[in-house]
Amino acid sequence: GESVGLHLPTLSVQEGDNSIINCAYSNSASDYFIWYKQESGKGPQFIIDIRSNMDKRQGQRVTVLLNKTVKHLSLQIAATQPGDSAVYFCAEIGGYNFNKFYFGSGTKLNVKP
Amino acid sequence: NAGVTQTPKFQVLKTGQSMTLQCAQDMNHNSMYWYRQDPGMGLRLIYYSASEGTTDKGEVPNGYNVSRLNKREFSLRLESAAPSQTSVYFCASSELQGYGYTFGSGTRLTVV
Repeated sequence: GESVGLHLPTLSVQEGDNSIINCAYSNSASDYFIWYKQESGKGPQFIIDIRSNMDKRQGQRVTVLLNKTVKHLSLQIAATQPGDSAVYFCAEIGGYNFNKFYFGSGTKLNVKP
Repeated sequence: NAGVTQTPKFQVLKTGQSMTLQCAQDMNHNSMYWYRQDPGMGLRLIYYSASEGTTDKGEVPNGYNVSRLNKREFSLRLESAAPSQTSVYFCASSELQGYGYTFGSGTRLTVV
């Protein structure tokens, strides 16, 4: 079946450094991916998305990279700030069912001052 | 602009009790979803409603029922709560199927 996983459950970075959060997916038919940020006690918040016809997409301080060859997704956060401390999830549309996103278990990002 | 509103925020139930979790969105979205979030397991889809008048099972529907009351509201009911249903429940909505969600702030449910 489909699976979405993260390489590192916890990532600690120094304030001002760049952060890279990784995600692997198994369904080669998935064609839409989203990164969410979840702060403690809150619901997930949309950060950025990418479709499979793209390799890279940039937002404000964030960049998502998609490598379809190895089924790998990454989120890069530039100049990480304390407010970036949260759990980050990647999600994929589950193949042919466009109603179902599959979520990874998340990576916790700790930003040290 | 409220987005997705969930009530209650916290609830403690005894095993066997029933309750309904409420969700309402004010963005005129067509699709609505219920997820549960457990430690180390990510978000799992319970039920979804692709459009008003339709509901379908997700990954973990057992023990739950849903009602799409109108375009704005989508409720989740636990008929006979079990400790295994202790979790954080999130409602979400999207304008179109297969696009990014807007999530509510969650309901933390404990079944004792």
